[in-house]
Amino acid sequence: DTGVSQDPRHKITKRGQNVTFRCDPISEHNRLYWYRQTLGQGPEFLTYFQNEAQLEKSRLLSDRFSAERPKGSFSTLEIQRTEQGDSAMYLCASATGTGVGEQYFGPGTRLTVT
Amino acid sequence: QKEVEQNSGPLSVPEGAIASLNCTYSDRVSQSFFWYRQYSGKSPELIMSIYSNGDKEDGRFTAQLNKASQYVSLLIRDSQPSDSATYLCAVQTGANNLFFGTGTRLTVIP
Repeated sequence: DTGVSQDPRHKITKRGQNVTFRCDPISEHNRLYWYRQTLGQGPEFLTYFQNEAQLEKSRLLSDRFSAERPKGSFSTLEIQRTEQGDSAMYLCASATGTGVGEQYFGPGTRLTVT
Repeated sequence: QKEVEQNSGPLSVPEGAIASLNCTYSDRVSQSFFWYRQYSGKSPELIMSIYSNGDKEDGRFTAQLNKASQYVSLLIRDSQPSDSATYLCAVQTGANNLFFGTGTRLTVIP
């Protein structure tokens, strides 16, 4: 399977715990995006990497969220001190070339904070 | 005003009919427009991209773009039950972002 992969697919955590998600983009895709999606809404942009550089971060993104893409390949998204409002589907997408381009999504990680 | 607006539906069409999905956007400088299909419990799947005014056809799908009216649409010809899904309109905002609408839920009735 050469598509975008995400791990884990599901995560249940207690409020206040830290969680980390991983995304492996399509091979050779230099651009990687993280989104969050809640029920009945479209994906909401969180952050964007071009290669290993984090070029944009949503103004709405809390300081509890951090993302890395250390070698320009896989990426991690960490949420510290989780809150119930963090419960959502976290989606990763990758793309090639320049500009916004055509983004291909992974299966997502569904986070439930209890 | 929301950046991308879609009728949430549900939109119901009989099998074999044409489904018409509409989207308006607020940012006049947007240059890239996309339609994604999302089945329940799954992630979005890219089905069409359009960058220039006019129509773009791909199989049973036709995307239409009118930048002057800030309007994008998706036509699905010969609709099949397997087309039943939520269709998300996505518009480029800024250099790196896509802004998604809330989606239109389509049901194709056999």
